[in-house]
Amino acid sequence: GAGVSQSPSNKVTEKGKDVELRCDPISGHTALYWYRQSLGQGLEFLIYFQGNSAPDKSGLPSDRFSAERTGGSVSTLTIQRTQQEDSAVYLCASSLASTGSSYEQYFGPGTRLTVT
Amino acid sequence: AQSVTQLDSQVPVFEEAPVELRCNYSSSVSVYLFWYVQYPNQGLQLLLKYLSGSTLVKGINGFEAEFNKSQTSFHLRKPSVHISDTAEYFCAVGAFNKFYFGSGTKLNVKP
Repeated sequence: GAGVSQSPSNKVTEKGKDVELRCDPISGHTALYWYRQSLGQGLEFLIYFQGNSAPDKSGLPSDRFSAERTGGSVSTLTIQRTQQEDSAVYLCASSLASTGSSYEQYFGPGTRLTVT
Repeated sequence: AQSVTQLDSQVPVFEEAPVELRCNYSSSVSVYLFWYVQYPNQGLQLLLKYLSGSTLVKGINGFEAEFNKSQTSFHLRKPSVHISDTAEYFCAVGAFNKFYFGSGTKLNVKP
């Protein structure tokens, strides 16, 4: 079946502009995660959605970052007033559940964001 | 809080040689442990996971890992690597619905 998809695959933007990154999780997956992967670094947790519960935003690096998940499916990560340090690959992952034997994330291909 | 350390940023190895990629973690609570692989120009995919039970976990492509609670380690091993194993490998721990990833180890298999 279809995996996690993300769009756009690449985004180049000027410093100070706002950007929106989209994630389409696997159908039926209730958990959705956003990560940031900077060059030479591991994955940095940003935000986590589980069903209709309030999201865990504890990983968002600043108030310029926000995310929403509409209808428990598609999610959008928004970065306002982009800065050069925001340049990274943004990864989305979804999971059937957040506990138990289904505690496995499926990753999308990522969006490479370049802020000039 | 949880953290993951992958001490080796790069591991060069010759084809058919054994390899071990090291992963150590820090946590005050019980965690789930994972290894992910990222092939060039591809997304991350799960290699193997430890949730509970046997501490020796077997994954795809002949990889295995052993959970050692006393040493807080989850090292990844393969007895004989192939050129196609060239990729970046990430160790991760999961606790309370969050995942913490190491900085990755690039495995470079040479002919």
